Amino acid sequence: KNEVEQSPQNLTAQEGEFITINCSYSVGISALHWLQQHPGGGIVSLFMLSSGKKKHGRLIATINIQEKHSSLHITASHPRDSAVYICAVTISSGSARQLTFGSGTQLTVLP
Amino acid sequence: DGGITQSPKYLFRKEGQNVTLSCEQNLNHDAMYWYRQDPGQGLRLIYYSQIVNDFQKGDIAEGYSVSREKKESFPLTVTSAQKNPTAFYLCASSQDISPLHFGNGTRLTVT
Repeated sequence: KNEVEQSPQNLTAQEGEFITINCSYSVGISALHWLQQHPGGGIVSLFMLSSGKKKHGRLIATINIQEKHSSLHITASHPRDSAVYICAVTISSGSARQLTFGSGTQLTVLP
Repeated sequence: DGGITQSPKYLFRKEGQNVTLSCEQNLNHDAMYWYRQDPGQGLRLIYYSQIVNDFQKGDIAEGYSVSREKKESFPLTVTSAQKNPTAFYLCASSQDISPLHFGNGTRLTVT
């Protein structure tokens, strides 16, 4: 079983819809990351959080440490949001900055 | 602007040849990482380096080698011993507890 599980694997939405991507993990962590990978392959860090909630523009990330669960929400989705969204965790017992990654959620927003 | 430069974007090699992927950063980050991405799988750590002239194996180091002679450079060599070298390779860097910064990746195809 993967230590980081994302759902759904693929998501298609209409422009303007509210989107939720989920991430569950099975290990103790010191931080959780949400990343965005565009079709060209480059990855951008969206959020790093260890508790509560963070918001940046139309993106909101939440984490529930007790339930080992995080969600990424996109409000008023737009075709430019189409990308792969990746959840990753920094494991508490890991050395350096070793991250464990989920397999990603492919989001397609249709105009 | 600071960032990570990976070159080339696409690389083609014949089986049995060694190939070196370049990664340069001007963010003055101490730590650098190499990840491999395969379809449907999360990123997997190949090697990482926390300081110049020092590096450690990640989860899938077999068939790969690295060097860290300068702070800004962390080249990855894919050797002929790597059984399945065709993949997308991502370089990243970080400083302390800051989020990872990623390059745009190199897609290696070995035939």
